[in-house]
Amino acid sequence: DVKVTQSSRYLVKRTGEKVFLECVQDMDHENMFWYRQDPGLGLRLIYFSYDVKMKEKGDIPEGYSVSREKKERFSLILESASTNQTSMYLCASSDWDRGPYEQYFGPGTRLTVT
Amino acid sequence: QKEVEQNSGPLSVPEGAIASLNCTYSDRGSQSFFWYRQYSGKSPELIMFIYSNGDKEDGRFTAQLNKASQYVSLLIRDSQPSDSATYLCAVNMEYGNKLVFGAGTILRVKS
Repeated sequence: DVKVTQSSRYLVKRTGEKVFLECVQDMDHENMFWYRQDPGLGLRLIYFSYDVKMKEKGDIPEGYSVSREKKERFSLILESASTNQTSMYLCASSDWDRGPYEQYFGPGTRLTVT
Repeated sequence: QKEVEQNSGPLSVPEGAIASLNCTYSDRGSQSFFWYRQYSGKSPELIMFIYSNGDKEDGRFTAQLNKASQYVSLLIRDSQPSDSATYLCAVNMEYGNKLVFGAGTILRVKS
């Protein structure tokens, strides 16, 4: 079974803090994704990566950056957290050969910025 | 127009009935279509995918795709209370090489 883990289930940070969210997958997947999920808006893609050190902007990259130094790990960075970044953050991964769109999700991190 | 649209619900069905969940999409070039189930407080779980026009069955689940009408649906036969969840439709857009998710339909199965 694919296992995608995220560093924290719940996180509370103050406005202006730098926040790191980490995601690790154990299935040697090439593709990794970061989404945020908000009520009524569904899942929105922040950034994705098809390979180590590669990154592509999604639909809402503003205020975020990412890092992928190793194949199994994809980090999301909030450079200066703001209250409108309070959300559920979901990491996903997929295998390019099996199907890049068959994405498997981690348990999520509920981030609250006060 | 949203890229992927779903009725937010909630859709309420009695136990044992057929639940029908619908999704429309805007990109005529889309090729791959997915249904995810998300229980409250949990992350989405992939339950079905379909690439060709017609029906695809997997146990109690049937995905239906009509590319001409830009419409994909999920039927759940013999609905159970454990099927109560939010169902997310996802479509890969030809441009941008990514999945776009609908906002989800809440399904409630009443025993």
